[in-house]
Amino acid sequence: QLQLQESGPGLVKPSETLSLTCSVSGGSISSGYYYWGWVRQPPGKGLEYIGSISYSGRTYYNPSLKTRVTISSDTSKNQFSLKLTSVTAADTAVYYCARLISGGRFDPWGQGTLVTVSS
Amino acid sequence: QSALTQPASVSGSPGQSITISCTGTSSDVGAYKYVSWYQQHPGKAPKVMIYEVTNRPSGVSDRFSGSKSGNTASLTISGLQAEDEADYYCSSYTTSTTYVFGTGTKVTVL
Repeated sequence: QLQLQESGPGLVKPSETLSLTCSVSGGSISSGYYYWGWVRQPPGKGLEYIGSISYSGRTYYNPSLKTRVTISSDTSKNQFSLKLTSVTAADTAVYYCARLISGGRFDPWGQGTLVTVSS
Repeated sequence: QSALTQPASVSGSPGQSITISCTGTSSDVGAYKYVSWYQQHPGKAPKVMIYEVTNRPSGVSDRFSGSKSGNTASLTISGLQAEDEADYYCSSYTTSTTYVFGTGTKVTVL
């Protein structure tokens, strides 16, 4: 059974870089047909697509975050990562990683990790 | 890209049917048959309930069904049960090769 787990600092200072890793077990991220994505949810608010990476390493980003986001993968560790630069309080959210199946099906999801941006 | 528009809340009594709408544009909902619906209970990760407009993943109750007409997709929950009380989000693939989520709908079982 495929499982995803987010990890990284829970507190980031304003203007610094948020870095998270998603560890995948029960399947390989280099398998064809699947993409791997990040979604965030500010406290009490809705879901926002951040971006995704294909099994071949091609990346896709939300236009509103594109200048600050980098998604990469490490197939040797079966992990993919998110970096978000120049963070502000508006980036405070629960960050989820998920497998993205062609056609837009995010399934399954990690449990999510809360990242707070504060000095 | 703007979030897809959903009603903030929908309610119904046990056993009733409710429908949640998800309105986008010709660049997202109207462009592809790639609309998904997610259920999220408080403090939990979202769970996919419908994908590709009408398909149900294995294990999801057949009380959940999806449809689409033009730029608006819909999720119908029939035979409403207490466990269906949750937040629901739609999402769509877009012509920009990204994804966009809906604003979210809180379903209350009266």
